[in-house]
Parts: sequence; C-alpha cells; structure tokens
Amino acid sequence: DTAVSQTPKYLVTQMGNDKSIKCEQNLGHDTMYWYKQDSKKFLKIMFSYNNKELIINETVPNRFSPKSPDKAHLNLHINSLELGDSAVYFCASSHSGPTYEQYFGPGTRLTVT
Amino acid sequence: LAKTTQPISMDSYEGQEVNITCSHNNIATNDYITWYQQFPSQGPRFIIQGYKTKVTNEVASLFIPADRKSSTLSLPRVSLSDTAVYYCLVVPNTGFQKLVFGTGTRLLVSP
Repeated sequence: DTAVSQTPKYLVTQMGNDKSIKCEQNLGHDTMYWYKQDSKKFLKIMFSYNNKELIINETVPNRFSPKSPDKAHLNLHINSLELGDSAVYFCASSHSGPTYEQYFGPGTRLTVT
Repeated sequence: LAKTTQPISMDSYEGQEVNITCSHNNIATNDYITWYQQFPSQGPRFIIQGYKTKVTNEVASLFIPADRKSSTLSLPRVSLSDTAVYYCLVVPNTGFQKLVFGTGTRLLVSP
C-alpha cells in the first residue's frame, strides 16, 4: 500500500564515509525527485529524473550522485560525507507535467558525526 | 519564479476556521498556486491547487482574487491534527515541475 518508500529511515555515519539512500514508488509515476531539508527546516530540491533521465540538477556538490535504474526507483549516493550533509532527505514522485502533485516519501534522516 | 510571502506562524483553537494568506506579487500568467502541508517528521503532502477564483476539496478551500497577487488557504473547523507547516508555492505551468519551498507558516492548533 506504500506509495513512496525510502530506506533507510535513519542513517548515522562518520565523516568521509560513502552512503546510499534508496527510494521506490509504486504509483506509476515517471518523474522522481530528491529534496534536502536542513536543520532550519528549509526544503530544497536537489535532483529530478523523468523517465530515468536527469532533468533538474540544482547546485549540489558532485559528491552527490543520483541514479535511476528504472522509472520506479531513484537512489542517492553520497561520497565523502561531511558534517553539513546532515539533514533529512526526501524522495518524491509525480506524473510528468508542471502542475501534477508530488507525493513525498517519509524521509531519511542522515546524521554525519 | 515568483517569490511567496506568508506569515511565519499562526495560532488557532480547535473548531475554528483558519485562513492563511500568501502574497505572490510577481506571479506570471501561466503560474499556478499550490499549497502543501508538512507534519513533523513527515514529507510534505499536497493540499490544494488553483489558478483563479475558488477551489474547494475535502480538506480545504483556496481563494484567489482576480489580480492573483495573493491567495488564501482556508481550513474549516481545524482540529489538533491540523498542527503542521503550510507551504504556499507558485508553480509555472511550463516545462518540468520544480517546487520551490519557502519558509512556510507554522500553524499551532490548541484545545
């Protein structure tokens, strides 16, 4: 019944490590997104994929690399983690088109120590 | 993208109607107005979207005046569970969707 799911829900790791967050949607959407919400609760888009192709790439360090193996999955790999990467990362999906509503996942709280 | 301005916080009591106003003076002709709700420790959830006049669904109403430079989200008879952050967004009706979230309005509903 889950629409947009993310794993893991919590991730605690040390600086310098590499980690991945996975996202899956079963809504039949063809567009998926990654957002970052920092400690001040600002929610910012990072990436968007449409039919497995990257269509939005905001000013994000190249340590962040999204990968979409198919339309239902969008993973986020982060290299050389830094303290400032600590945040909640939300995955979302929607039909393609500018005004379709986005469905968000439950979030992954990443803590870098 | 048109910038949005909304109150940082609002307080209400159970059973009251809550109106949250958002200003978007630079809204473009093709832009839609969209509202999302975010509960603590959850992802945002779409509430309502409109272009002009009034839109109503089972959750809320959205009032947009003729000049479209502002919009008002109306929540009828709020309950404690409506305590959340409410985001007003302006979404261009062109190209691929890119949601730009502002600071939102933190609504606290008390008994």
